[in-house]
Amino acid sequence: DQQVKQNSPSLSVQEGRISILNCDYTNSMFDYFLWYKKYPAEGPTFLISISSIKDKNEDGRFTVFLNKSAKHLSLHIVPSQPGDSAVYFCAASSGTYKYIFGTGTRLKVLA
Amino acid sequence: EAQVTQNPRYLITVTGKKLTVTCSQNMNHEYMSWYRQDPGLGLRQIYYSMNVEVTDKGDVPEGYKVSRKEKRNFPLILESPSPNQTSLYFCASSPQGAEVDEQYFGPGTRLTVT
Repeated sequence: DQQVKQNSPSLSVQEGRISILNCDYTNSMFDYFLWYKKYPAEGPTFLISISSIKDKNEDGRFTVFLNKSAKHLSLHIVPSQPGDSAVYFCAASSGTYKYIFGTGTRLKVLA
Repeated sequence: EAQVTQNPRYLITVTGKKLTVTCSQNMNHEYMSWYRQDPGLGLRQIYYSMNVEVTDKGDVPEGYKVSRKEKRNFPLILESPSPNQTSLYFCASSPQGAEVDEQYFGPGTRLTVT
């Protein structure tokens, strides 16, 4: 049972446009969400996070939106750059030291 | 340089031959964790440790053992590897393991069990 789902395995976006990566979850006990970016042959690196008490968190070009009623979060990258091409994982936690990751979305930003 | 290191980076072994993948962090982090990444399944947590001598199971602990005798080290042990443990493994650490903590990941260990 996949508690965190990223239904789009891949996404292509033109440089300068907005990239929107989506993530859905089923466990209402999750109260903290994180996005990680992964380049080939490297470990994931932290990007941005959001607590369930917020509906938006912004850090430079990256914004995460949380819709608790829909159990949905999204990562917006504006403007997208070729260096953003990577696999993006969303992850969720319910304060138990356990983390559930999604299956990842491969973003390709076209120059 | 603050980092998480894993060794070896690549390993090919045979079914049943015990192996250990080492993980070390130099950031004095309390929390460490192991994940495996498989196509179509994303990252799945194997084991985690909140502090020295304190470990607990993640989502996919079967076939793995861990130990945390020192704060900086968190080895992953496969007592009798099987082909379904062929995967890309990541070790990670974070200051407290609290939700607000970002995890720092190692570069990964690609394991093939034949």
